[in-house]
Amino acid sequence: GENVEQHPSTLSVQEGDSAVIKCTYSDSASNYFPWYKQELGKRPQLIIDIRSNVGEKKDQRIAVTLNKTAKHFSLHITETQPEDSAVYFCAARSNDYKLSFGAGTTVTVRA
Amino acid sequence: ETGVTQTPRHLVMGMTNKKSLKCEQHLGHNAMYWYKQSAKKPLELMFVYSLEERVENNSVPSRFSPECPNSSHLFLHLHTLQPEDSALYLCASSRDRYNGYTFGSGTRLTVV
Repeated sequence: GENVEQHPSTLSVQEGDSAVIKCTYSDSASNYFPWYKQELGKRPQLIIDIRSNVGEKKDQRIAVTLNKTAKHFSLHITETQPEDSAVYFCAARSNDYKLSFGAGTTVTVRA
Repeated sequence: ETGVTQTPRHLVMGMTNKKSLKCEQHLGHNAMYWYKQSAKKPLELMFVYSLEERVENNSVPSRFSPECPNSSHLFLHLHTLQPEDSALYLCASSRDRYNGYTFGSGTRLTVV
């Protein structure tokens, strides 16, 4: 089955700086890669996703890049703000219903 | 409210109890999922239902028993649980296999 690894497990950044989270996956057939944000005590929420026919996608301060050859994808958050503090999960899926998740990255934005 | 509702939000049960978790979605999605979220671990898939048919059973112990009576409702029946089963149980739904999930708020389960 699919195995998703996520790094780092914790990330502390100064407000206004950028944050980068990296994930690797094992199944070359995976074609859908979402990112979820989970604030303390709340549900995971989809913040951005990318499909295998696209190399990069951007939505305001958030961007995701995908390198299919190397089987890795990354989340980039620019101009970080205190409300970006949360746990971020990457995930990957091939042609079935199952999303395999990374272990999560706890991001802390220092004011 | 995102459209996926889970009840109860919190549950404390003894190891000999029987309880059920409920999940309801009114998004018109065709697939529903149960995930277990434990501290410092990836989200663990437990069960997948597509159009009310179970399509994935991820080697989950038989003390967890899912039920999907229709495409809008999903249950997780619990009996004779162990303390290590204490976790946040998340329900999710998706339109199909090509789109992302919408998660419920979860049920925080504590087994004593």
